[in-house]
Amino acid sequence: QSVLTQPPSVSGAPGQRVTISCTGSSSSIGAGYDVQWYQQFPGTAPKLLIHSNNNRPSGVPDRFSGSKSGTSASLAITGLQADDEADYYCQSYDSSLRGVVFGGGTKLTVL
Amino acid sequence: QVQLQESGPGLVKPSGTLSLTCVVSGGSISSDFWWSWVRQPPGKGLEWIGEVYRGGITNYNPSLKNRVTISVDKSKNQFSLKLSSVTAADTAVYFCARADYRTFDYWGQGTLVTVSS
Repeated sequence: QSVLTQPPSVSGAPGQRVTISCTGSSSSIGAGYDVQWYQQFPGTAPKLLIHSNNNRPSGVPDRFSGSKSGTSASLAITGLQADDEADYYCQSYDSSLRGVVFGGGTKLTVL
Repeated sequence: QVQLQESGPGLVKPSGTLSLTCVVSGGSISSDFWWSWVRQPPGKGLEWIGEVYRGGITNYNPSLKNRVTISVDKSKNQFSLKLSSVTAADTAVYFCARADYRTFDYWGQGTLVTVSS
């Protein structure tokens, strides 16, 4: 069981907007630690999508955005495209566990 | 462009020690970053194993702490992972990654390690 909780799956039609939630606790996201989001295609390494809650690395389309509030964070994808179909992971730090923590991952299906 | 490449045995016997190396190119391992290991069991999510800083300072996942050693070799620009007393539950794809203040910005391609007799 992951320290950060994500829905196992989400889906949306091309062009639509989807959001993926990431719920932590008072010792992780709620303690003010930053949240990162990664995109992973089958058989490949994760790719950094969002860092420091809402910042996109160079080259990541502005269709991807992040937000954080209280003990939770969210990843939003607008203008959904077929090649957005992948697994998405949130990541933060937990002071009680004294380590980096990941969410369990969310599989995005583009209908 | 920073690149990381994992290497090591793809098969380890139960109760043995898993040993992997990650070679860093396009950047110095002595720079101001943490060098990390993350694993992913088949069909499952990501799990942070631990990290090492250029001076040899380490942090480990508490659930693995008693079995893990991560070290850095500045002369070869690489860092290594040793995981002892392995079981089938340690079968996973192991990734090395660079961490910039707990953000994993560069990753290796990953290497599958299977624990089996």
